[in-house]
Amino acid sequence: QVQLVQSGAEVKKPGASVKVSCKASEYTFTDYGMHWVRQAPGQSLEWMGWINTGNGNTKYSQRFQGRVTITRDTSASTAYMELSSLRSEDTAVYYCARDGSTSCYPGSCYMDVWGKGTTVTVSS
Amino acid sequence: DIVLTQSPDSLAVSLGERATINCKSSQTILYSSNNKNYLAWYQQKPGQPPKLLIYWASTRDSGVPDRFSGSGSETDFTLTISSLQAEDVAVYYCQQYYGTPRTFGQGTKVEIK
Repeated sequence: QVQLVQSGAEVKKPGASVKVSCKASEYTFTDYGMHWVRQAPGQSLEWMGWINTGNGNTKYSQRFQGRVTITRDTSASTAYMELSSLRSEDTAVYYCARDGSTSCYPGSCYMDVWGKGTTVTVSS
Repeated sequence: DIVLTQSPDSLAVSLGERATINCKSSQTILYSSNNKNYLAWYQQKPGQPPKLLIYWASTRDSGVPDRFSGSGSETDFTLTISSLQAEDVAVYYCQQYYGTPRTFGQGTKVEIK
C-alpha cells in the first residue's frame, strides 16, 4: 500500500542543521506533491512547506523562510526537509504528508497519507 | 495568516452518543470559482501521525466510517461523530488549504464520559 517512510530520530545542538528524508513507495512519486508539517510536544500541527515533486517548485511558510529547504530526488522517490540554525523551539516531530489528489491546484490540497514522523531534539 | 479556532478544546461523550466539534475560520475558505471549501479534518491518536477523515469540508476519505461527517461553508464548519465508539478517542484537528501558510486548528480532545 502507499507508504511514506521517514528517516530516524535526530539529536542536534543549537545552531546546527538537520535533514529529514521521506521515501515514498507504491505510487508514482512525481504525481503528488509533498508537504512537511511539524508538531512540538503537546502542541498542534504546524505547516512548514510543500514541494511539487514533478518540477521541484516549492512553497514555504514565512515563519521558516530562509531556514527551511525542501528538495526531492525523483530517482529515489524521496523528499527531503532541511532546517538550519536550529534552536530549542525546533524540538518536534516532523512529518511528511502527501497531497491527497493529483488534481488540486499546486500546493492547495489536503494531505491523505502521512509518514510516521521523525523526532528532532535540539539540545545543548 | 488564516486562523482556525476550534471549540470546544475538549469534550467527554458517552459511548453511542453524538460528538460535535466546531471550527471557525478568520476568513472565508470557500473558493468561488469551484465552489469548494478548502477544509479538512484529521484524527490523531497518541504516538501516531494524523489520519485524514474529511476533505473539501464534507467528503469522507476512503475507509472512514460513515459515523463521521463534515458540514459547513465559508467560515463555519462542523465535524460530527454520530455515535461515539471507544476507538474514536483522539484529538481532532481542522486544517485549511486555501491560504498560505496552511494552518491547523488548536485541536479538540475527545474522551469517553
